[in-house]
Amino acid sequence: ILNVEQSPQSLHVQEGDSTNFTCSFPSSNFYALHWYRWETAKSPEALFVMTLNGDEKKKGRISATLNTKEGYSYLYIKGSQPEDSATYLCAPYTGTASKLTFGTGTRLQVTL
Amino acid sequence: NAGVTQTPKFQVLKTGQSMTLQCAQDMNHEYMSWYRQDPGMGLRLIHYSVGAGITDQGEVPNGYNVSRSTTEDFPLRLLSAAPSQTSVYFCASRRGTGSGGELFFGEGSRLTVL
Repeated sequence: ILNVEQSPQSLHVQEGDSTNFTCSFPSSNFYALHWYRWETAKSPEALFVMTLNGDEKKKGRISATLNTKEGYSYLYIKGSQPEDSATYLCAPYTGTASKLTFGTGTRLQVTL
Repeated sequence: NAGVTQTPKFQVLKTGQSMTLQCAQDMNHEYMSWYRQDPGMGLRLIHYSVGAGITDQGEVPNGYNVSRSTTEDFPLRLLSAAPSQTSVYFCASRRGTGSGGELFFGEGSRLTVL
């Protein structure tokens, strides 16, 4: 079973704060890294799929970077808003089989 | 747009009963999978399929069966439910079987086994 670690487990910030969290994964047999956003009582939705070392992706105020050599990815949220409150999941895809292994997520709460 | 549809949304079973969770997708995705979500454990892969007629085990397959007779459908069967199978189950699909396709999730099915 692939060891995927996300930190912190939870985070509480105020509206307007910028924040970031980390996903660590084994760097061997790496093919891709997925980030998902999961709001309470909804289903996870994809944010980014990243494949190349040094890759940077951006969607609005959310961006992500990828380091495949050392096995980590950062997710950044600039100017957090209450609607950003969710659990953020990362899932590396390693080529041994057609499956994603999810981390336990970082739960973000943004208050006014 | 239907996407990935799961039924039922809620189910209560007694220990030893059997049931099937249904999953259907209308996006012509080759890959389909079932995850369970438990507090503190994140999403864990139960079974997956890379195409009609092909299934394989994930991390936690014991107590579950799957089949994939069509591209659209991927039912999950609990043959003899146990309290340890109380969980929220998510079906997910994606285009292709490689690494680049994002997963599309159903709305989840909450199962309680008494």
